[in-house]
Amino acid sequence: QKEVEQNSGPLSVPEGAIASLNCTYSDRGSQSFFWYRQYSGKSPELIMSIYSNGDKEDGRFTAQLNKASQYVSLLIRDSQPSDSATYLCAAQIYNFNKFYFGSGTKLNVKP
Amino acid sequence: DTGVSQNPRHKITKRGQNVTFRCDPISEHNRLYWYRQTLGQGPEFLTYFQNEAQLEKSRLLSDRFSAERPKGSFSTLEIQRTEQGDSAMYLCASSPKGQSQETQYFGPGTRLLVL
Repeated sequence: QKEVEQNSGPLSVPEGAIASLNCTYSDRGSQSFFWYRQYSGKSPELIMSIYSNGDKEDGRFTAQLNKASQYVSLLIRDSQPSDSATYLCAAQIYNFNKFYFGSGTKLNVKP
Repeated sequence: DTGVSQNPRHKITKRGQNVTFRCDPISEHNRLYWYRQTLGQGPEFLTYFQNEAQLEKSRLLSDRFSAERPKGSFSTLEIQRTEQGDSAMYLCASSPKGQSQETQYFGPGTRLLVL
């Protein structure tokens, strides 16, 4: 079992819709969680971080964390074609200074 | 440009050759990470430095891989006797001192192709 699991997709949504991306993690020692966006051939770019249970909003993005269920999600409202990319979920086990990444979910936003 | 920089951006080598990559982190970031990413996968953790000390090393890192950060600034990753399976994107990331929950900033990566 991988430390962080994501559905590889692709997830296709029409422009203007809400895209919902999900991630589960296996290590209950994970304390911090991150969502990165990666365009093809480029390096990951941080979108959001979340550390506490509940929701965290930043513009069109909302991250949700449920530690009891070991579940992290990212909602993208009013999706734009420029949001089309691979979204990587990462978990940090703080005391060990390691980050574990999922394999990413490819999002396609159709005009 | 004050972001993380990596050189070279691309490297093509023949199997059995040695290669070395360089990473310059964001100024004053004391934490530095190396990752490897293959097509369709997320970045895999390789190693971590806090200042010049290498504090974590993945079991994925065979004896052919070595990393250094001699003065706590730039870092190098060397792969000896390269194999075709080493072909991947090698990513470096840095994070600043003092944050209890780290935010990593990635460099553009070095794409390695072993023929």
